[in-house]
Order: sequence, then C-alpha cells, then structure tokens
Amino acid sequence: GDSVTQMEGPVTLSEEAFLTINCTYTATGYPSLFWYVQYPGEGLQLLLKATKADDKGSNKGFEATYRKETTSFHLEKGSVQVSDSAVYFCALSSGSRLTFGEGTQLTVNP
Amino acid sequence: NAGVMQNPRHLVRRRGQEARLRCSPMKGHSHVYWYRQLPEEGLKFMVYLQKENIIDESGMPKERFSAEFPKEGPSILRIQQVVRGDSAAYFCASSPGLMGGNTIYFGEGSWLTVV
Repeated sequence: GDSVTQMEGPVTLSEEAFLTINCTYTATGYPSLFWYVQYPGEGLQLLLKATKADDKGSNKGFEATYRKETTSFHLEKGSVQVSDSAVYFCALSSGSRLTFGEGTQLTVNP
Repeated sequence: NAGVMQNPRHLVRRRGQEARLRCSPMKGHSHVYWYRQLPEEGLKFMVYLQKENIIDESGMPKERFSAEFPKEGPSILRIQQVVRGDSAAYFCASSPGLMGGNTIYFGEGSWLTVV
C-alpha cells in the first residue's frame, strides 16, 4: 500500500539557518504530494503541494519539488524563523485518502 | 467563506460514555473525511463520506465507531462506549470533489480525552 517516510525529528535550528526535512514515498500510480504544518493545539494547514513530477510547490519561503525518479518531496527553506516552529507532515493523495508521514517536529531558537 | 468547522474543540468523557464529534464542511464541499491523530503520531485515515453515503470506511475500527453525513446538517463521528485508547485528536477535512488534484482543507480538530 501507499506509505510516506519522513525524516525523524525533532529538528532544532537557530534562526536564519537552512532547513531540509526529507520525505520519500511509496505509491502506485501518480499521487499528488503535500506538506502540511501543524502549530501547537491547532489543526493542519496546507503549506504547499505538487500534483505531477517535476512540479515545485512553494509558499512562505518553503519549497519542495516532486521527484519521481527518487520518489521524494523534500521540504526546504533558506532561512527559518522562530515562528516556523511547528510539526511538519508530508502526505500523498491517491483515490479517496491522504496518507501521512509521522511528522517532524521543528524548533527554531532565536 | 468559513473554513471547516468542528465542534466541540475539546471533549472529556468517562470510560463507557458516548462521544459525538461534529463537522461542517466548507461551503460548496460535498466530500468529508475523518482522520485520527494519536499522541505523538501522524494522522490516520478513518472514513470518507459524501452526502448520505459512506464511500470508504476502511480505516474505521470495526466496533464502536460510526460516521454519517446526512442530507442536512453536519457530519457526525460517533464513538460508543469510549475507552482510554480513544483519546486522540479527531480531524475532519472537506473537499469540493474527489481528492487527487483537489486540495482538502482541515478543521481545527476535536480533542477527545477519556478519563
């Protein structure tokens, strides 16, 4: 079945550091790929998405590129801020459901 | 345009009681999904519904859990005879059509605590 594997956390960075959170997937067909962010005590917010190979999703300085050859969708940001501290979930959609990774806790210190 | 609305946000139940969680999808969305997030874990799919129909319930526990999305009113996730292991955050999401290229939007969740 479909699965998503995320880089294990927690990840702790200093403000303005470069961020990479790895995500790889296993799926039949051609899924859409997503990154969601969850702030403490809140629901999930869509951060970015890509619907086909080589698409790049971007939002709020975050980027991820749909790499079919490596089945990856790594999340990157050039300069993180304290306000980026949250849990980040990689997900894929196929058919009627989203399949999520386990989440990566990011803490950014001033 | 209001987002996906869930209530209650927080619910405390004693073991053996019933929990009812409600979800109103975004305006114009006819597809509703329920997900469960256990502590320190990712989200797991439970059920997918359209108006008056359960389309995919392969993620629902076989006993005590049920879901509906009536013609009028919100979608309801019902948990009978709750146990401590049911303590989790339950998220509802909606989309205008079948997922795939469609983005789904999540509500803020209902946090169930069983004491």
